[in-house]
Amino acid sequence: GESVGLHLPTLSVQEGDNSIINCAYSNSASDYFIWYKQESGKGPQFIIDIRSNMDKRQGQRVTVLLNKTVKHLSLQIAATQPGDSAVYFCAEAKWGAQKLVFGQGTRLTINP
Amino acid sequence: NAGVTQTPKFQVLKTGQSMTLQCAQDMNHNSMYWYRQDPGMGLRLIYYSASEGTTDKGEVPNGYNVSRLNKREFSLRLESAAPSQTSVYFCATDRGTRSGSGNTIYFGEGSWLTVV
Repeated sequence: GESVGLHLPTLSVQEGDNSIINCAYSNSASDYFIWYKQESGKGPQFIIDIRSNMDKRQGQRVTVLLNKTVKHLSLQIAATQPGDSAVYFCAEAKWGAQKLVFGQGTRLTINP
Repeated sequence: NAGVTQTPKFQVLKTGQSMTLQCAQDMNHNSMYWYRQDPGMGLRLIYYSASEGTTDKGEVPNGYNVSRLNKREFSLRLESAAPSQTSVYFCATDRGTRSGSGNTIYFGEGSWLTVV
């Protein structure tokens, strides 16, 4: 069936560097994408979302890029901080539908 | 994760026992969800309730039942627990309509369930 997946299960970056977390999706009907952050022992927290009529959306220190041609989604975190250490999930949905499909997650670790 | 409360946070069950996970939200949201999360995997939808009075199966409903008790509460029941149901369970809510960016799902803190 259709699925959302992540290219890398783990990512280590130096504190202060920029982080890029990637996600591939296979359902071409999906038109709404979300990034979540999950810290250890907690539930996922919303970071940023994007609809398919956009290529880029920026938030506070985060940017989501969507490439519909190759069905690729990325999350960029600027000036990575220790508090950014977490597992990051992408999720996809059809706009208006109830169900989100989650990817496997990427663990981001920050080196001092 | 304020606004979505799950109980219990930890539970150990023996195979064949039954139990109910409770979830309550004070965000006045229409839709509620139950997900499970297994090690190294993303979240998989078990059941959801688009609005009070309705429930629907998600991706992995077998072995579970749900009840949307009222707008605030959505419970998940394991009638006869199996070791394969060892997992972390998350309740979540949203407004129920994709009315614009930022309308997203809010998750509870999770319930760790072990079936031995």
